[in-house]
Amino acid sequence: DQQVKQNSPSLSVQEGRISILNCDYTNSMFDYFLWYKKYPAEGPTFLISISSIKDKNEDGRFTVFLNKSAKHLSLHIVPSQPGDSAVYFCAASGRTGNQFYFGTGTSLTVIP
Amino acid sequence: DTGVSQNPRHKITKRGQNVTFRCDPISEHNRLYWYRQTLGQGPEFLTYFQNEAQLEKSRLLSDRFSAERPKGSFSTLEIQRTEQGDSAMYLCASSLMGAEYGYTFGSGTRLTVV
Repeated sequence: DQQVKQNSPSLSVQEGRISILNCDYTNSMFDYFLWYKKYPAEGPTFLISISSIKDKNEDGRFTVFLNKSAKHLSLHIVPSQPGDSAVYFCAASGRTGNQFYFGTGTSLTVIP
Repeated sequence: DTGVSQNPRHKITKRGQNVTFRCDPISEHNRLYWYRQTLGQGPEFLTYFQNEAQLEKSRLLSDRFSAERPKGSFSTLEIQRTEQGDSAMYLCASSLMGAEYGYTFGSGTRLTVV
């Protein structure tokens, strides 16, 4: 069973506009939610995280929002840049972080 | 420090053969993880080490799979009697801090079983 879901396989956005990537989860016991970015032929790279006690976390152009009641999180990238074109994975874990559950990824294309 | 290193980058093997992959984590990281990623899917957890102790194993890790981390440094993942369904990207990751800091992943070993 897929505990973390990313229902949009792909997203295209114009350079300079906002990119919004969505993620849903089913397990209310998850404590940490992370976003990873992956380029072809490379491993995933950690981007930003949020814990279940917060509803928002910002890091430069990247903001993650968490809605616990809806079991939904989103990643906002503003402004989007061509170098942001990659596959973005949402992941969730319990408190220990010993095992992360990943979504299937969203391929973001930022059009110059 | 050059990050998490995985070798080989690619491995093609015949069905029924044994293969072994190596992972060298970031030196000060005491936690090491193996994940597997197939086409169109996100990474799936296989196993976790804290220092040399293997503390968690996924149901995905059949008895044909074995992982070791002698002396709490590098790790190896061996697959015996490979099957075509084992074809995937095998990712190693390491971490030192808590869950909120995520892992550092290596570039992976792509296994193709023919």
